[in-house]
Amino acid sequence: GENVEQHPSTLSVQEGDSAVIKCTYSDSASNYFPWYKQELGKRPQLIIDIRSNVGEKKDQRIAVTLNKTAKHFSLHITETQPEDSAVYFCAASMYSSASKIIFGSGTRLSIRP
Amino acid sequence: GAVVSQHPSRVICKSGTSVKIECRSLDFQATTMFWYRQFPKKSLMLMATSNEGSKATYEQGVEKDKFLINHASLTLSTLTVTSAHPEDSSFYICSATGGKAEAFFGQGTRLTVV
Repeated sequence: GENVEQHPSTLSVQEGDSAVIKCTYSDSASNYFPWYKQELGKRPQLIIDIRSNVGEKKDQRIAVTLNKTAKHFSLHITETQPEDSAVYFCAASMYSSASKIIFGSGTRLSIRP
Repeated sequence: GAVVSQHPSRVICKSGTSVKIECRSLDFQATTMFWYRQFPKKSLMLMATSNEGSKATYEQGVEKDKFLINHASLTLSTLTVTSAHPEDSSFYICSATGGKAEAFFGQGTRLTVV
């Protein structure tokens, strides 16, 4: 089955700097890669996703890149703000059916003022 | 995005009793619902996948007789933790999809077994 690895487990950046979180997946059949943000005690919220037919997607300060050949995908947050502090999860799934979403282990992002 | 409501948000039960958690899709038909368990500061561990009208598919290591899942309609799935013990204490969270991969999460249920 699918296995998703995520690094780093914790990340601390200065406010205004960029943050990068990296993930790898094992199943070449996976073609949908969502990223979730979870605040303490709350539900995960989808912040951006990418399908395997594109290599990059951007939404304001957030961007995701995908390298299908290497089975790598990354989340980039620019101009970080205090409200970006949270746990971020990458995940992998198959878009064409309601397939199970397998999550990475999570990255706790802290923004230093 | 679509709305998924999970109830209760918190529950405390005595050891040996059973607890039912409900997951409802409020504004779409959820053909598939997923149940996850999350330990403190850990990731979401998939427990099972349920499709409306059929038996749930459980992940390896998850006891189907312990965690009963019912998906009786396109808007409701329930997870019943039977004969709960303190080690079952955890954050349980559901997600629902309407046939595509985008999943929407319930707010989670914090279960404490005393």
